[in-house]
Amino acid sequence: KQEVTQIPAALSVPEGENLVLNCSFTDSAIYNLQWFRQDPGKGLTSLLLIQSSQREQTSGRLNASLDKSSGRSTLYIAASQPGDSATYLCAVWGSQGNLIFGKGTKLSVKP
Amino acid sequence: NAGVTQTPKFRILKIGQSMTLQCAQDMNHNYMYWYRQDPGMGLKLIYYSVGAGITDKGEVPNGYNVSRSTTEDFPLRLELAAPSQTSVYFCASSGAASSYNEQFFGPGTRLTVL
Repeated sequence: KQEVTQIPAALSVPEGENLVLNCSFTDSAIYNLQWFRQDPGKGLTSLLLIQSSQREQTSGRLNASLDKSSGRSTLYIAASQPGDSATYLCAVWGSQGNLIFGKGTKLSVKP
Repeated sequence: NAGVTQTPKFRILKIGQSMTLQCAQDMNHNYMYWYRQDPGMGLKLIYYSVGAGITDKGEVPNGYNVSRSTTEDFPLRLELAAPSQTSVYFCASSGAASSYNEQFFGPGTRLTVL
């Protein structure tokens, strides 16, 4: 059974710092991996989708990498800003075509 | 485009009451999903649909029912509400021929059962 783990559960950094969020999964036979952002009391906003044949995807200050063989993905955020404060969720595609989610990393960027 | 919309945003039910959570998408997506999110936990799949008239159970379907009469709408029905169904419910959709493509989420419905 696929399981997704995100470390750390919470992270607090000063503004301007570069940071890395980690995601690991137990079954390397994944199709795609998707990173989301969730603001308190809000829905999920898709940040990046990495297809299984890809190694990384970039969008603005965000870069996500995928290493299927080791069962890992990282989300790199450059030059963090207070507006980046949110919970970041990693999800991989399950056999039913659904997403299997980690519990998230709660990021706080201090001004 | 409105994307994925959900109504209501909030609801309080008494034990044993019934309700329908509404979900609609205007992106002509074939695949639609219902997830629930409990505090401190990841989202779990309740039901999903690969097209109009086709639905199937996810990981936690007990206590829920769905229907998919149109491409746009995918309502979730709670027949006899229980406190264990207190959660935030998210509807999502995706549009590729394969379901292994980007999912788009609605804003959620926060449900409390007392």
